[in-house]
Amino acid sequence: GESVGLHLPTLSVQEGDNSIINCAYSNSASDYFIWYKQESGKGPQFIIDIRSNMDKRQGQRVTVLLNKTVKHLSLQIAATQPGDSAVYFCAEKDNYGQNFVFGPGTRLSVLP
Amino acid sequence: KAGVTQTPRYLIKTRGQQVTLSCSPISGHRSVSWYQQTPGQGLQFLFEYFSETQRNKGNFPGRFSGRQFSNSRSEMNVSTLELGDSALYLCASTWRGQGTEAFFGQGTRLTVV
Repeated sequence: GESVGLHLPTLSVQEGDNSIINCAYSNSASDYFIWYKQESGKGPQFIIDIRSNMDKRQGQRVTVLLNKTVKHLSLQIAATQPGDSAVYFCAEKDNYGQNFVFGPGTRLSVLP
Repeated sequence: KAGVTQTPRYLIKTRGQQVTLSCSPISGHRSVSWYQQTPGQGLQFLFEYFSETQRNKGNFPGRFSGRQFSNSRSEMNVSTLELGDSALYLCASTWRGQGTEAFFGQGTRLTVV
């Protein structure tokens, strides 16, 4: 079945450095991907999305890269700040699915 | 525009009881999905409702059920609660459910004792 996973369960970065969070997916039919950020005690918050007809999409301090050849998704956060500390989830959906499939999440810790 | 509202925020129930959780989606959104989040299993899809019809269902036992009302508000019910049902239950709403971002509520933290 389809599945989404993350290479690293935890990531610690120095404040001001760039962060890269990775995600692997197995469903080649997936055509829509989202990155969510979840802070303690809160629900997941949308960060950025990308469709399969794109390789890269940029937002404010965040960039999502999609490599369909190896079924890999990454989230880059520029100049990481303490407020970026959270758990980050990737989620994917295909045209046939009515729900998102979430990865297990990566905890990002920003060190002062 | 108000976000997704889930009530209550916290619940404590005993084994064998049943519980009903409520979700009010963003105004204009017709699709509501429910997820269970636990430390061990992560975010797992429960079911999705669109225009009062269950459109998709995850791999959960029949003790988990839901419904959607004509105003798009949704409820989920868990009967005969088990300790393992302790989790954060999240509701997400989307405009039409496909190919669009899902907006999550704060969740309901259910503790079964």
